[in-house]
Amino acid sequence: QKEVEQDPGPLSVPEGAIVSLNCTYSNSAFQYFMWYRQYSRKGPELLMYTYSSGNKEDGRFTAQVDKSSKYISLFIRDSQPSDSATYLCAMGNNDMRFGAGTRLTVKP
Amino acid sequence: DVKVTQSSRYLVKRTGEKVFLECVQDMDHENMFWYRQDPGLGLRLIYFSYDVKMKEKGDIPEGYSVSREKKERFSLILESASTNQTSMYLCASSLVGGVNSPLHFGNGTRLTVT
Repeated sequence: QKEVEQDPGPLSVPEGAIVSLNCTYSNSAFQYFMWYRQYSRKGPELLMYTYSSGNKEDGRFTAQVDKSSKYISLFIRDSQPSDSATYLCAMGNNDMRFGAGTRLTVKP
Repeated sequence: DVKVTQSSRYLVKRTGEKVFLECVQDMDHENMFWYRQDPGLGLRLIYFSYDVKMKEKGDIPEGYSVSREKKERFSLILESASTNQTSMYLCASSLVGGVNSPLHFGNGTRLTVT
């Protein structure tokens, strides 16, 4: 079993939809949780960074961490075609583990 | 903005060749990393460095070595390239802290070993 599980998709939604991206993990010691966005032929860029449990909101993006369930989510409201990318979750304590990434397409 | 520059976008090498992948960052970051990215496997850490001339093994160091002679430059070396090293290689840097610090990535080098 992988330490971090992420559904690779692909996920296709119409413009304006609410998108939910999720990761599960097995290591209860993880304290740092991040979401990266990777456009085609580009490197990943940090989207959200949270420590421990709770929610964090930044514009149309909300990150949620539920440590009791070992489950993290990224919500995108009012999705736009420019949100089309691969989204990687990452988490760790003394070292970082990445999910395989979910490919998202937002159709106009 | 932090810029992490990888010298080659695409690289094709033959089995057994020695391969150098170069990475430069322009924001005086302490930490630098090399990852490889493969479909279905996500990013896996090869090596990282916290300071000049310092290096630490990541999860998959076999077949690779690194060099950090200057703070801004971190090189990944494939001593004798093999076909299973065909992959996307990503360099990253971070300002302070351990491996949990937010990373700034380059745009990657897609290496094909034939």
